[in-house]
Amino acid sequence: EIVLTQSPGTLSLSPGERATLSCRASQSVSSNYLAWYQQKPGQAPRLLIYGASSRATGIPDRFSGSGSGTDFTLTISRLEPEDFAVFYCQHYDRSPWTFGQGTKVEIK
Amino acid sequence: QLQLQESGPGLVKPSETLSLTCTVSGGSISRTSYYWGWIRQPPGKGLEWIGTIYYSGSTYYNPSLKSRVTISVDTSKNKFSLKMSSVTAADTAVYYCARHGYCSHGSCLLNWFDPWGQGTLVTVSS
Repeated sequence: EIVLTQSPGTLSLSPGERATLSCRASQSVSSNYLAWYQQKPGQAPRLLIYGASSRATGIPDRFSGSGSGTDFTLTISRLEPEDFAVFYCQHYDRSPWTFGQGTKVEIK
Repeated sequence: QLQLQESGPGLVKPSETLSLTCTVSGGSISRTSYYWGWIRQPPGKGLEWIGTIYYSGSTYYNPSLKSRVTISVDTSKNKFSLKMSSVTAADTAVYYCARHGYCSHGSCLLNWFDPWGQGTLVTVSS
C-alpha cells in the first residue's frame, strides 16, 4: 500500500500570500498518478489537480501542481479568501487507492 | 452534467449492516464505461477509499474492509449500492459516492474521484 504523508499539517497564511503544500509517497508513484482535492467544511472534496500537474475543469490558474516519483507539491500562487480549506492528495497508481491525511490552510 | 446523490439510514446499530445507495443522474451507468466508488470520512478525519464497481459488476475493495463490504450496481435504476456488515462505532463517518475511472478503447484506468455526491452521515450507535 502506498502511504501518502502531507506536510505541514496546518498552514497559517494571509490572503494574497503563496501557499506551498507537500505530499510525499512511501513508494514511487508511477506515471505521476497523483491528484489533489480541496474540501471546505460541510462539503464534499473537489478535484483540483490530476496527473500531478493538470488542472481540472474550472479550476483557477492560481492552483498548480508539480512533482514526480515520491515528492509532489500543490502551490496556490496568491490565496483568495475562498481558498482557505483542507487539501488532500490521492494516488491512483494501484489498489488500494489512498489519500494523504490532509493539510489545512487557515487564515492567519 | 453528471450528479450523484447518496441515500440511506443515518443511524445504524452496532453489529448490524449499513446500507447506502448512490443515484446517478445526468448520465446512464450502463451506457458509459465508468467506474463508481465509495469513500468515507470519519468526523474530523481524513478520507478512506472503500470500494469501486464497474457498470458490468466487477468490483475492487479496500483490503482493510473487504471482508465486510459488498458493492453492487442496478443499471435499470441507475444506482449502485454499498453494504457494510458488522458495523461498529469506528464505522461512523460521512459516506460519499463518486465516479472513479473509466475504460476507453480497451484500456481501463481507475484514477481520481470526480464528481462526488454531497455525502451522507451514518452514525453507528445503539
